Amino acid sequence: DTGVSQDPRHKITKRGQNVTFRCDPISEHNRLYWYRQTLGQGPEFLTYFQNEAQLEKSRLLSDRFSAERPKGSFSTLEIQRTEQGDSAMYLCASSFLSQGYGYTFGSGTRLTVV
Amino acid sequence: AQTVTQSQPEMSVQEAETVTLSCTYDTSESDYYLFWYKQPPSRQMILVIRQEAYKQQNATENRFSVNFQKAAKSFSLKISDSQLGDAAMYFCAYRSPRSGTYKYIFGTGTRLKVLA
Repeated sequence: DTGVSQDPRHKITKRGQNVTFRCDPISEHNRLYWYRQTLGQGPEFLTYFQNEAQLEKSRLLSDRFSAERPKGSFSTLEIQRTEQGDSAMYLCASSFLSQGYGYTFGSGTRLTVV
Repeated sequence: AQTVTQSQPEMSVQEAETVTLSCTYDTSESDYYLFWYKQPPSRQMILVIRQEAYKQQNATENRFSVNFQKAAKSFSLKISDSQLGDAAMYFCAYRSPRSGTYKYIFGTGTRLKVLA
């Protein structure tokens, strides 16, 4: 297992277009997180999955955002009708259910909306 | 709501010297976890060190150690014998065990430059 994988690494899109990002967590990890990181800021929590269930969503996750984790494996984050304010690094992380340790982060997907 | 503050946007250290990065947090909880993560340029975030609030002993991982002052709500990171590879953004993070989500609250980060 090579860790948490995110695809694509970079995405440039025009305002108003839809985009979808994918995250493949470490296979035995049942917790999966999405965070958003804007320039000069720390990551901000977006949403959390335990297996296939989406158990928490941040108020940052407007109705243009949707995330799924079918079958409790990979996850997708979709942004509809992108806006320039959506430009950010989108980070995925995974961990064990009862792990008191930290997450394992992916390298992120950098979204630029032009 | 919990908050995490990193008041040093940027720090510099000479190679082989020691540097301390500051972090303060605000919480009404008595049990929680604190973390330091390292984010090298264009690379993924890596866990550096963690501290459980119920432990009085400061955590240590090789050249990295923390000074955890629970009453003062302070959690600083000391890097000894700094190396060029230590250059990165460092984020302090708080995690409450009560939410069940184990989500983090991050500070805004400190950019560490290591001078040869």
